[in-house]
Amino acid sequence: AQSVTQLGSHVSVSEGALVLLRCNYSSSVPPYLFWYVQYPNQGLQLLLKYTTGATLVKGINGFEAEFKKSETSFHLTKPSAHMSDAAEYFCAVSDRGGSYIPTFGRGTSLIVHP
Amino acid sequence: EAQVTQNPRYLITVTGKKLTVTCSQNMNHEYMSWYRQDPGLGLRQIYYSMNVEVTDKGDVPEGYKVSRKEKRNFPLILESPSPNQTSLYFCASSLWALQSSGANVLTFGAGSRLTVL
Repeated sequence: AQSVTQLGSHVSVSEGALVLLRCNYSSSVPPYLFWYVQYPNQGLQLLLKYTTGATLVKGINGFEAEFKKSETSFHLTKPSAHMSDAAEYFCAVSDRGGSYIPTFGRGTSLIVHP
Repeated sequence: EAQVTQNPRYLITVTGKKLTVTCSQNMNHEYMSWYRQDPGLGLRQIYYSMNVEVTDKGDVPEGYKVSRKEKRNFPLILESPSPNQTSLYFCASSLWALQSSGANVLTFGAGSRLTVL
């Protein structure tokens, strides 16, 4: 079964600093990869996803993620953090050609300091 | 507007008093699912449904029931709630496209915060 590891339950950055949220998956076959964001008191919404093709994926609100097969990683980055980026971020994976059921990581809370 | 609607958004109840959390989607999605979110544990799947009358257990189904009598609705039933079911619950749905099923994006409801005393 797939597993997803998000390193760091909390990440704290200053406004304007680089945001880096880490996600690693366990699979010999690269899965479909997703990042979801949960703003306070809201449900999750899709930030970006990787299915095939270009390994650098751009999402909403200036976020992007790069699929690195050799490292089994799909880290999320943003060059300059805004206060409004403070939220919970979830990495998720689902198998290609197998079970549709997505597996979520435990989430990383992004804290942005003024 | 395409959305997943959950009700109630907030509920405080007592141990043993049956309750139902409703979930409805207006996107004609085949796939629906319930998750619970707890601090430090992330999202854990309770039950899911691939289509009408087809449901299956997720990772943490104990103490919960579901039904899928209509495509748009997927209620979550707690027959005898206990304090360990105090949590934030999310319903989600997705199109089930056999060609690229794994790449389908989940649409989430806003969440239902349940407290069992």
